[in-house]
Amino acid sequence: QSALTQPASVSGSPGQSITISCTGTSSDIGGYHYVSWYQQDPGKAPKLLIFDVNNRPSGVSDRFSGSKSGNTASLTITGLQTEDEADYYCGSYSSSGTYVIFGGGTKLTV
Amino acid sequence: QVQLQESGPGLVKPSETLSLTCTVSGGSVTTYYWTWIRQPPGKGLEWIGYIPYGGSTNYNPSLRSRVTMSLDTSKNQFSLSLNFVTAADTAVYFCARGVGATHFDFWGQGTMVTVSS
Repeated sequence: QSALTQPASVSGSPGQSITISCTGTSSDIGGYHYVSWYQQDPGKAPKLLIFDVNNRPSGVSDRFSGSKSGNTASLTITGLQTEDEADYYCGSYSSSGTYVIFGGGTKLTV
Repeated sequence: QVQLQESGPGLVKPSETLSLTCTVSGGSVTTYYWTWIRQPPGKGLEWIGYIPYGGSTNYNPSLRSRVTMSLDTSKNQFSLSLNFVTAADTAVYFCARGVGATHFDFWGQGTMVTVSS
């Protein structure tokens, strides 16, 4: 069982928007501004999409955005494209021992 | 552009030691937090730990008794050693560059390590 809780799957149609949630505790997501999101295509390494809750690295589309409320973080993808179909993982700093923890991943179907 | 490349055996026998090296190009290992992350087949990501240049290592408590990381600045590489492996250690192992140790902006392609006799 993963430390952060994500839905196993979400789906949407091209052009639509979707949101993936990531729920933790006050020892991780709720207590710190260190939430990150990664996109992983099959057989590939994860790619950083969002860091520090709502910051995008250079080169990442502004269709991807992050937010946080309480112990839950969210990744929103607008204007869905077929190439967005992938697995998405959230990560967070944790003060309760394991320095960085991840969610179990969410499979996005477009 | 920073690039990372893992290398090491793809098959390790139970109770033996898994050893991997990550070669960094396009950047120096004397900054940032050099991190290992693994992913069992069909499962999620697990942070193993990091080693920063000139600083202290930090390991996942669940693996701490079996993990050692080291840094070789002359070769611009860092390494992972995991001893007394079992089938539960079978996974794709990724090396990555940690920024502030909390997020990872560059990753290696990953290397599959199978623990089996």
